[in-house]
Amino acid sequence: GAVVSQHPSWVICKSGTSVKIECRSLDFQATTMFWYRQFPKQSLMLMATSNEGSKATYEQGVEKDKFLINHASLTLSTLTVTSAHPEDSSFYICSARSASGGYEQYFGPGTRLTVT
Amino acid sequence: GQQLNQSPQSMFIQEGEDVSMNCTSSSIFNTWLWYKQDPGEGPVLLIALYKAGELTSNGRLTAQFGITRKDSFLNISASIPSDVGIYFCAGHSVATGNQFYFGTGTSLTVIP
Repeated sequence: GAVVSQHPSWVICKSGTSVKIECRSLDFQATTMFWYRQFPKQSLMLMATSNEGSKATYEQGVEKDKFLINHASLTLSTLTVTSAHPEDSSFYICSARSASGGYEQYFGPGTRLTVT
Repeated sequence: GQQLNQSPQSMFIQEGEDVSMNCTSSSIFNTWLWYKQDPGEGPVLLIALYKAGELTSNGRLTAQFGITRKDSFLNISASIPSDVGIYFCAGHSVATGNQFYFGTGTSLTVIP
């Protein structure tokens, strides 16, 4: 149980284009989903917290117009990186918290984004 | 945001040895979680702790919620090669809302 999927697992895009990453909770409903960014050999950096049906809460320093988050259902959240630049290249990971469980977060497998 | 101090930063051990790592915070937490991350993958939840002093095991892994509520410990007994990876702690406090704070990670290498 508590499986979270992410799609795509890796993506290469050209500078200036937009990329959408999907995060799905497969066997549970998630009222809250989190988006993280991780640089090589570093810890997870929280970008934003998204609650189903409401606007995402962004961490300080994260541009909400650049990283668009939509949490349209209890099993799906999307992160769109708009007008991507090479410095946006990173490993993006989502996590989900069950609507019926405790405070545990279950992570997706991550998406490797490379902007050329 | 706040980041938890995890130590050691890295460990190189022989297969069969026991491993200990810890995580400390300047704030009190209500929940501690321990995750393992393999290269290129998302973290996998190992153990969740909810009460101060709680000691919980998952196979060869044992984690403890510190009495002060500002620290947690993870032990791995009789390490095997597949234990290789990066271990992260995460702390949560109701006072800080839904957010978890993650540790800096401990990289474990097991030498066969």
